[in-house]
Amino acid sequence: GDSVTQMEGPVTLSEEAFLTINCTYTATGYPSLFWYVQYPGEGLQLLLKATKADDKGSNKGFEATYRKETTSFHLEKGSVQVSDSAVYFCASREGNQAGTALIFGKGTTLSVSS
Amino acid sequence: ETGVTQSPTHLIKTRGQQVTLRCSSQSGHNTVSWYQQALGQGPQFIFQYYREEENGRGNFPPRFSGLQFPNYSSELNVNALELDDSALYLCASSLAAGRDNSPLHFGNGTRLTVT
Repeated sequence: GDSVTQMEGPVTLSEEAFLTINCTYTATGYPSLFWYVQYPGEGLQLLLKATKADDKGSNKGFEATYRKETTSFHLEKGSVQVSDSAVYFCASREGNQAGTALIFGKGTTLSVSS
Repeated sequence: ETGVTQSPTHLIKTRGQQVTLRCSSQSGHNTVSWYQQALGQGPQFIFQYYREEENGRGNFPPRFSGLQFPNYSSELNVNALELDDSALYLCASSLAAGRDNSPLHFGNGTRLTVT
């Protein structure tokens, strides 16, 4: 079945460091891809998305490019802040039909220190 | 715009008991889905409701059931609770129009502990 694999954490960085969180997917078709962020004690928030190959999603300085050839959707940020500390989830969804579930990776905890 | 709200925020139940979790969808959203997030894991899809009918289900046993009401709010019911049901339960709403789903908007979840 479809699955999402993301790098295990925790990832510990100093403020202003470069961030990469790797994410790969397996799918029978051409899924939409998402990054969600979960701050302590809160639900998931959509960070960015891409719906087709070579699309780049971006938001709040974060970027991810849908790479069909490597089945990847790595999350990057050029300069992290302490406020970026959270758990990041990569997710996929086949097609766009009602009733289609999001498939999540296990999450990567990011901790940024000043 | 009112976001997705869930109640209660925390709940402790005993094995074998039944529990009902509640969710109010974001204003204007007609679809609600439920996810189970075990500690240290990503959320797993339980089921989705669209216009009061279940239209998608993950790999969860029948003792997990749900309802969606005419105002699009929703309930998740779990019977015969097991220790492994301890998790954060997330509700998400979206606006589904035919085949197209808008992005999901998640609530803050209900933390269920089964002892």
